[in-house]
Amino acid sequence: TQTVSQSDAHVTVFEGDSVELRCNYSYGGSIYLSWYIQHHGHGLQFLLKYYSGNPVVQGVNGFEAEFSKSDSSFHLRKASVHWSDSAVYFCAVSAGSSNTNKVVFGTGTRLQVLP
Amino acid sequence: EAAVTQSPRNKVTVTGGNVTLSCRQTNSHNYMYWYRQDTGHGLRLIHYSYGAGNLQIGDVPDGYKATRTTQEDFFLLLELASPSQTSLYFCASSDRSSGNTLYFGEGSRLIVV
Repeated sequence: TQTVSQSDAHVTVFEGDSVELRCNYSYGGSIYLSWYIQHHGHGLQFLLKYYSGNPVVQGVNGFEAEFSKSDSSFHLRKASVHWSDSAVYFCAVSAGSSNTNKVVFGTGTRLQVLP
Repeated sequence: EAAVTQSPRNKVTVTGGNVTLSCRQTNSHNYMYWYRQDTGHGLRLIHYSYGAGNLQIGDVPDGYKATRTTQEDFFLLLELASPSQTSLYFCASSDRSSGNTLYFGEGSRLIVV
């Protein structure tokens, strides 16, 4: 079964800083990896995903993530954060070959961007 | 625009009460999911389904039943609610054709007193 871990519960940076949010997964087969953002009081919204091909994927609003099979990781990055990026970020994994399409989320990382 | 609608948005019930949370999607997606969100635990999968009449057990199913009556509608049932089920519940839908992207509703906050 697939699992995902996000080691940082909270990350605080200043506006204009770069940031990396960490995600590690475990699963032996092909997988979908995704990142979602949750602003306070709302549901989750899709940011980006990886299934195959170029390990660096671009998402909305300047976010990108890099897949590493050797490290079992899919870290999210942004070169210059804005105060509006303050939110909770979730990493998710699902088995690529599964008919049932179970999708499992990490515990989330709260990003706080200070002015 | 893909849409997932949950109801009710807020609910208070007593211990032992009966609660049904409803979810409707207009995305024509095959897969639907129920998650609960709690501080320190992130999103945990309760039940999910890949079509009308189908039900798959998630990671935290105890105390919950679910039913997928149509492709559009997925219900979560708490027949004997307990305070431990106080949580924020999210429904989502997805499909392989959308690249497995999940579309979420706005959540249903349940308080069991």
